[in-house]
Amino acid sequence: NAGVTQTPKFRVLKTGQSMTLLCAQDMNHEYMYWYRQDPGMGLRLIHYSVGEGTTAKGEVPDGYNVSRLKKQNFLLGLESAAPSQTSVYFCASSYLGGNTEAFFGQGTRLTVV
Amino acid sequence: DAKTTQPNSMESNEEEPVHLPCNHSTISGTDYIHWYRQLPSQGPEYVIHGLTSNVNNRMASLAIAEDRKSSTLILHRATLRDAAVYYCILRRGTSGSRLTFGEGTQLTVNP
Repeated sequence: NAGVTQTPKFRVLKTGQSMTLLCAQDMNHEYMYWYRQDPGMGLRLIHYSVGEGTTAKGEVPDGYNVSRLKKQNFLLGLESAAPSQTSVYFCASSYLGGNTEAFFGQGTRLTVV
Repeated sequence: DAKTTQPNSMESNEEEPVHLPCNHSTISGTDYIHWYRQLPSQGPEYVIHGLTSNVNNRMASLAIAEDRKSSTLILHRATLRDAAVYYCILRRGTSGSRLTFGEGTQLTVNP
C-alpha cells in the first residue's frame, strides 16, 4: 500500500523552464491537494480537486496550473519557473471532506536558479 | 475558512503530558477540528479529529470545549519523537472542503 507518492523527490530548474510534479494515490480518494512550504512557514494551499476532472484555486495559485484527468493522479505544472517558486511541495489526498483524514506525500524539493 | 490561533512554540519534558491549545472562535457548526503534525523534513501526518465530543486514539486525545470555540490536543506521555510542528485545522464537513494550514505550534521535548 503506497499511499501518496510524489515524483520527483528533488529537482533543480533554471529560471523560465517548465516542469510537472506528479502526485499519485492508490486509496481511491476523491479529494487531492497541492501545497508549498517555504522555510520556517506553514503549508500554503496552491490548488485542490474534489473529484476527477475538477480543480479549484487555493491560497497561492498564481504561476501554477493543475490537472486531474484520472482520479488517482493530480498534476502540478510550472509553465515558466521563477526563483520565488523555490520551495518544498507537498501533495495530499482524502476520501472526502471534513470527517476524513488526509494523507500526505513526502514532498518534492524544488530549487529554481 | 474559519481561522485558528495557536501558540508559536511550547516546551515539554519527556514522559510528561503535553496540552496543546487551539482557539477557533469563528467555528461553524459543520467544521471538524483536525490536528496534524509535521516531523522535521517530512510531510504532515494525521493525528486526530473530532466534531463535538472528546476523542481518543492511540496517538493522542482531543478535548473540545462545550461551545466548540477552543480545543486541546493532549499527548499523554511526550517522547522525543513527538517533537514536531502541530497544526490545528478546521475542515468543513460539506462538499468542496479545503484543508488550509496556519503556522502551527513548534513543540520541543526535552530529555
